[in-house]
Amino acid sequence: SQWGEENLQALSIQEGEDVTMNCSYKTYTTVVHWYRQDSGRGPALIILIRSNEREKRSGRLRATLDTSSQSSSLSITAAQCEDTAVYFCATDKGSFNKLTFGAGTRLAVCP
Amino acid sequence: EAAVTQSPRNKVAVTGGKVTLSCNQTNNHNNMYWYRQDTGHGLRLIHYSYGAGSTEKGDIPDGYKASRPSQENFSLILELATPSQTSVYFCASGDGRVANTEVFFGKGTRLTVV
Repeated sequence: SQWGEENLQALSIQEGEDVTMNCSYKTYTTVVHWYRQDSGRGPALIILIRSNEREKRSGRLRATLDTSSQSSSLSITAAQCEDTAVYFCATDKGSFNKLTFGAGTRLAVCP
Repeated sequence: EAAVTQSPRNKVAVTGGKVTLSCNQTNNHNNMYWYRQDTGHGLRLIHYSYGAGSTEKGDIPDGYKASRPSQENFSLILELATPSQTSVYFCASGDGRVANTEVFFGKGTRLTVV
């Protein structure tokens, strides 16, 4: 899982496999953002899940949020080469969209 | 399309020198942010702004100043650059009128302090 001062994690999978990345957060949040960062680019939002949603889907992406355990997950179904990127979870500090980022997961799909 | 433009994209500075990183957004967003990203880590918030004329300290403000002269522009200033400030810096903008919405990032500025 990713958070706080933990170092970037790395996952390597084959095309067509499913993968799940986990995130645990320390302070109360009303929303978890999942961002994707491609090499040499800034992060871009891929899915946002609010505290009143336990699950949210967008194409092959599925995010879950468990406020009781303060954890979230991002799953990618049937991963493709173009899913290769670094994925971050981030929480909002309650207002004005000040984001606190986890350390990230570097996902490699295809050699 | 939401657009956040940073300049320069790459910068080499000498220790003790002054560095200014610039950011422009055409999203008409009230809020703007400066983050830094060190190799193998997530982004950390340096300064942010609620609108023209305002600047606020983020989680790691020491050694940095910020300036928001207009709705569109937000600068990050290193008065006395140090090698520990070598990093990639990202500017972002967000609609401060609505909580829990997308934040849009620029492509980043790679700063090397020698």
